[in-house]
Amino acid sequence: GAGVSQTPSNKVTEKGKYVELRCDPISGHTALYWYRQSLGQGPEFLIYFQGTGAADDSGLPNDRFFAVRPEGSVSTLKIQRTERGDSAVYLCASSYGQSEAFFGQGTRLTVV
Amino acid sequence: QKEVEQNSGPLSVPEGAIASLNCTYSDRGSQSFFWYRQYSGKSPELIMFIYSNGDKEDGRFTAQLNKASQYVSLLIRDSQPSDSATYLCASNYGNNRLAFGKGNQVVVIP
Repeated sequence: GAGVSQTPSNKVTEKGKYVELRCDPISGHTALYWYRQSLGQGPEFLIYFQGTGAADDSGLPNDRFFAVRPEGSVSTLKIQRTERGDSAVYLCASSYGQSEAFFGQGTRLTVV
Repeated sequence: QKEVEQNSGPLSVPEGAIASLNCTYSDRGSQSFFWYRQYSGKSPELIMFIYSNGDKEDGRFTAQLNKASQYVSLLIRDSQPSDSATYLCASNYGNNRLAFGKGNQVVVIP
């Protein structure tokens, strides 16, 4: 595709519910990254995929967060039992090797 | 610990002036550094990257890196109203994983 695509752009969910956020990277990009950005802060690294495997998931805050990339392209970030503190913009980025990482427009998650 | 600090508050500059932004980083193993521009409600957009000590110029932007002092800066010359945004400093601590500072807001006053 022309750029990194993230859906939905906005998601409002009730506390305790399960949500899935989708990222469609730039075609051919092997590396995919998820970041979380809270208001007034810089993006915070969550997880990095190289191909299908999670090469580094050290940024996931707890076991309610999980991400997959089963075919090495589209990735889904999954959040169980959402909490109000999970409210943030979730950004996905992709790159080819060590080249520039391009960011998607993000998904704004609001937990009420 | 991979920390990137941007401590300055909002920066207001008159149109045509130079905007100067600074950042420090804690991880001596970081090899490359990035400046991203982020407009309100938009995603970060890469404007400069730098790997080597010294200056790197690209149009109206100059990035400066001092690895001994663990210091990165960005100069924006001839500031334009369209430069009004938040500028994020980031270090690459391996495999393009980025540690970001909290950002500095720049307001260019016409």
